[in-house]
Amino acid sequence: AQKVTQAQTEISVVEKEDVTLDCVYETRDTTYYLFWYKQPPSGELVFLIRRNSFDEQNEISGRYSWNFQKSTSSFNFTITASQVVDSAVYFCALSENNQGGKLIFGQGTELSVKP
Amino acid sequence: DAGITQSPRHKVTETGTPVTLRCHQTENHRYMYWYRQDPGHGLRLIHYSYGVKDTDKGEVSDGYSVSRSKTEDFLLTLESATSSQTSVYFCAISGVSGNTDTQYFGPGTRLTVL
Repeated sequence: AQKVTQAQTEISVVEKEDVTLDCVYETRDTTYYLFWYKQPPSGELVFLIRRNSFDEQNEISGRYSWNFQKSTSSFNFTITASQVVDSAVYFCALSENNQGGKLIFGQGTELSVKP
Repeated sequence: DAGITQSPRHKVTETGTPVTLRCHQTENHRYMYWYRQDPGHGLRLIHYSYGVKDTDKGEVSDGYSVSRSKTEDFLLTLESATSSQTSVYFCAISGVSGNTDTQYFGPGTRLTVL
């Protein structure tokens, strides 16, 4: 069965620190997709990244980077030089092929960045 | 940003009353989804639609029904609301090139059942 685990419920850092949010997934499919979403205090869900199972290249976008490792079924998210505006709940999600695009979400990690 | 609106944005209702939430999109996307968000559970899929009049159940569909008579509208109905259905409800759309495309979410509806 498919499952996404975000073991870190809450993380608190001081501004400019680097922080890594962990995501571990379970799936029997060989074709699947992984996502990260951000939910700021205002409540909306903001898409950050989509990665398919055949592309293990790490990705960097500004201060954000993602490390996808199929060998450990992990898709971790690192924020470099964190800022107060990064404070939010971050969700990792999994979608399997031929499943209607249904997203399986992790429980979320609440990141608090203090000045 | 994807053109997705949800109405109402907030609703307080009493146990046993019917409630309908509306999701409206202006993107002409094929796929639409309803999720609920509860503390400790992340988001869980209630129902989804893969076309007009084509719908299917998700992980937590009991007590909910949906309808999609037009591409742009996806309705979620609680036939007889219960306190366990107090939650934040999100609609999402996808489908530019397939059903595993990125899902974009609406602003959410906060429902309180007393």
